[in-house]
Amino acid sequence: NAGVTQTPKFQVLKTGQSMTLQCAQDMNHEYMSWYRQDPGMGLRLIHYSVGAGITDQGEVPNGYNVSRSTTEDFPLRLLSAAPSQTSVYFCASSRRQGFTTDTQYFGPGTRLTVL
Amino acid sequence: ILNVEQSPQSLHVQEGDSTNFTCSFPSSNFYALHWYRWETAKSPEALFVMTLNGDEKKKGRISATLNTKEGYSYLYIKGSQPEDSATYLCAFKGANNLFFGTGTRLTVIP
Repeated sequence: NAGVTQTPKFQVLKTGQSMTLQCAQDMNHEYMSWYRQDPGMGLRLIHYSVGAGITDQGEVPNGYNVSRSTTEDFPLRLLSAAPSQTSVYFCASSRRQGFTTDTQYFGPGTRLTVL
Repeated sequence: ILNVEQSPQSLHVQEGDSTNFTCSFPSSNFYALHWYRWETAKSPEALFVMTLNGDEKKKGRISATLNTKEGYSYLYIKGSQPEDSATYLCAFKGANNLFFGTGTRLTVIP
């Protein structure tokens, strides 16, 4: 099992550009999520999905779009990059969203810089 | 948005010392409390999931306790080793999602 994979590892964008961060998991997990991690702040939830075709907003969804067409993939789209979106982005998955004891498995992260 | 606080923010201990840190969370609508270990340049990895008041979990030299009535959890490390250096995150499980604290960064000095 590769677990949770993310691409790219690093990305530099100019303000206004758009891009997609890829996330895939091979554990047949129902629940997938995107977090951003900024200095001095905890991991903050951007969007999440409880299954293919179902997505919802987290704590900081503005400027991001997601879709979940398959169980395995959960891409995060930046529509028009802004310097405030400079961050490290983590994708995570867990077996089922509603079960309290399911831990999350994290991808290796994508470090994004917006100039 | 739920408030999950961890203290201290950072901690330096000598190899062999025992240490502990705190996670505070809302005492209402409790589902579970997660602890994760996050080494530099890696991804967070799950340590414990705790669900019941009075729960105690142990993995090697690391253990954790849970008090849901007063809204706190302690993580203990006995006889710290340099490989224990990491950021320790706690996360409160709400109805749908996890709410993370900012972490305690532990550095163990050889």
